[in-house]
Amino acid sequence: DTAVSQTPKYLVTQMGNDKSIKCEQNLGHDTMYWYKQDSKKFLKIMFSYNNKELIINETVPNRFSPKSPDKAHLNLHINSLELGDSAVYFCASSSITNTGELFFGEGSRLTVL
Amino acid sequence: GDSVTQMEGPVTLSEEAFLTINCTYTATGYPSLFWYVQYPGEGLQLLLKATKADDKGSNKGFEATYRKETTSFHLEKGSVQVSDSAVYFCALITNQAGTALIFGKGTTLSVSS
Repeated sequence: DTAVSQTPKYLVTQMGNDKSIKCEQNLGHDTMYWYKQDSKKFLKIMFSYNNKELIINETVPNRFSPKSPDKAHLNLHINSLELGDSAVYFCASSSITNTGELFFGEGSRLTVL
Repeated sequence: GDSVTQMEGPVTLSEEAFLTINCTYTATGYPSLFWYVQYPGEGLQLLLKATKADDKGSNKGFEATYRKETTSFHLEKGSVQVSDSAVYFCALITNQAGTALIFGKGTTLSVSS
């Protein structure tokens, strides 16, 4: 069983569309994250939730909206997609906040045409 | 703000060569330091960590020592293998509330036989 799973793994879409990426963890962790990895492999935190509560919200366009229906799930919805949104989006989880020991999913590669 | 600086890659080595990937950091307070590894097509995995000055993290033949005086956490391995080919990320986290893991830009290692 995959500890942190993301779907879809690949997503190709047109500019202006709306898309969602789903993430689920079966580790019993309380905290989940979304990171964005650009074409140069640079990773940047976008959001973090602890027990369904938003605790980190970095400078991200409000076209990006995370949703955590329960502590095992953290989904990412993106409205009005732009070319610059093309990236690999990684979901991660950790047992507590303020820890650097994260478990990552395999990533979702989003390509906006 | 807090940041991590890694040596630029790619690093290309022959099998059994000695590896050093330099990492320095800037942080308020006393961060915990980490090395993560990303194999092709996969998510990141924690490789090793150190939580206080002079701690040495080690795993799978890799080592790194937390040097407060030089604000460094260089990754070393005495004899690399082809299977070590991956992207290596240095990262830090502080104990301030509402913070997340901050990554360096990653260093690509390519090992040939």
